[in-house]
Amino acid sequence: QSVLTQPPSASESPGQTVTISCSGGSSNIGTNTVNWYQHLAGTAPKLLIYDDNRRPSRAPDRFSGSKSGTSASLAISGLQFEDEADYYCAAWDDSLNAFVFGPGTTVTV
Amino acid sequence: VEMVQSGPEVKKSGASVKVSCRASGYTFSEYGISWVRQAPGQGLEWMGWISGHSGDTNYAQKFQDRLTMTTDTSTNTAYMELRSLRSDDTAVYYCANYWSSVIRGTRSAGLDVWGQGTTVTVTS
Repeated sequence: QSVLTQPPSASESPGQTVTISCSGGSSNIGTNTVNWYQHLAGTAPKLLIYDDNRRPSRAPDRFSGSKSGTSASLAISGLQFEDEADYYCAAWDDSLNAFVFGPGTTVTV
Repeated sequence: VEMVQSGPEVKKSGASVKVSCRASGYTFSEYGISWVRQAPGQGLEWMGWISGHSGDTNYAQKFQDRLTMTTDTSTNTAYMELRSLRSDDTAVYYCANYWSSVIRGTRSAGLDVWGQGTTVTVTS
């Protein structure tokens, strides 16, 4: 069982916006920064968002991150069929002294 | 930046496996290397990381007694060895370059560029 909580699935029509939540606690999201990863089956995961809301240059600007207290969110705007994938939040946990992933959210377009 | 992993492995239960990860396109000592696995039908599981500078390691408690991570700075290659393999170790194993810093009590940590994954199958 992960210390981070995500909804198992989310779906939205092409062109719309879907938002994925990630809930944690004071020892992880409440203190440290959050990353988001996209994982398509059979490929290597990709870093989409780091430090809560910063986007690597290689990630499309349709992806944005935010954080408030012990919760974080990933928004995907202008949904495309190619965005169908699993999305994971992650952060360092001070109590566990470990990097932790959420259980993942499967996005269906 | 590119991380290239070794090929698939099939091992018997109780054996050990050693997976390699060759890094290129950045200064090896400026980042760590982290290992993550994904078992069939499961999510991503962090195993630990090793500093590319000092060789210091930090393993997830679950793997403390049977996991060893090492690096060869002469070839910019990291290795992950898992011993006493069980059927539930069957998974795809990924390496990635890893950053970690603490500023005013906030830790920024994460995995940047990932390898292509190495499938490890444990048979009885």
